[in-house]
Amino acid sequence: IAGITQAPTSQILAAGRRMTLRCTQDMRHNAMYWYRQDLGLGLRLIHYSNTAGTTGKGEVPDGYSVSRANTDDFPLTLASAVPSQTSVYFCASSEGSGASTDTQYFGPGTRLTVL
Amino acid sequence: GQNIDQPTEMTATEGAIVQINCTYQTSGFNGLFWYQQHAGEAPTFLSYNVLDGLEEKGRFSSFLSRSKGYSYLLLKELQMKDSASYLCAVLDSNYQLIWGAGTKLIIKP
Repeated sequence: IAGITQAPTSQILAAGRRMTLRCTQDMRHNAMYWYRQDLGLGLRLIHYSNTAGTTGKGEVPDGYSVSRANTDDFPLTLASAVPSQTSVYFCASSEGSGASTDTQYFGPGTRLTVL
Repeated sequence: GQNIDQPTEMTATEGAIVQINCTYQTSGFNGLFWYQQHAGEAPTFLSYNVLDGLEEKGRFSSFLSRSKGYSYLLLKELQMKDSASYLCAVLDSNYQLIWGAGTKLIIKP
């Protein structure tokens, strides 16, 4: 059982380039999330999806887009990367959808550097 | 605004007990989570409290006081492997997690 996988593990990207971070879960969880983690700050929610076919904006959505075509996959796209998007990105999932207190489980993260 | 406060760093000795505090001010409350995060790794779930009181789980216990907007994580019989960051997160009225910046715990022999 893999749980949640993310790819790539790390990436160095030139500013202005387009980049998609991949996230796949095999737990059949309904909800999925994208966070960024920066030194000295708490995890911040970028986008979320309560169930396949729906997405929502989190605290810091600007410059990012997501899609949820099926239950397992939740890719995050940076249309035109900027240096302030340098961060560690975590994908997470939880069993319930919508208003749920279910535990979130995290993938291993992608370390992204934008130069 | 919403705010979660935790100490930035704490140091403790192997075998001892340490208490990591978390205070919060959020729009609504649907529970409080504690996660552990080793350096370079993903956060992993430790505990969830929604009612006042102490929840014990092995060497780790978590306490909640909703009226005071306060929680703590108590780690007993500290081991070197407990060196990690401990993240406090509150589930707000929209069922979104609001995260503290984390407390880095350093264990010394």
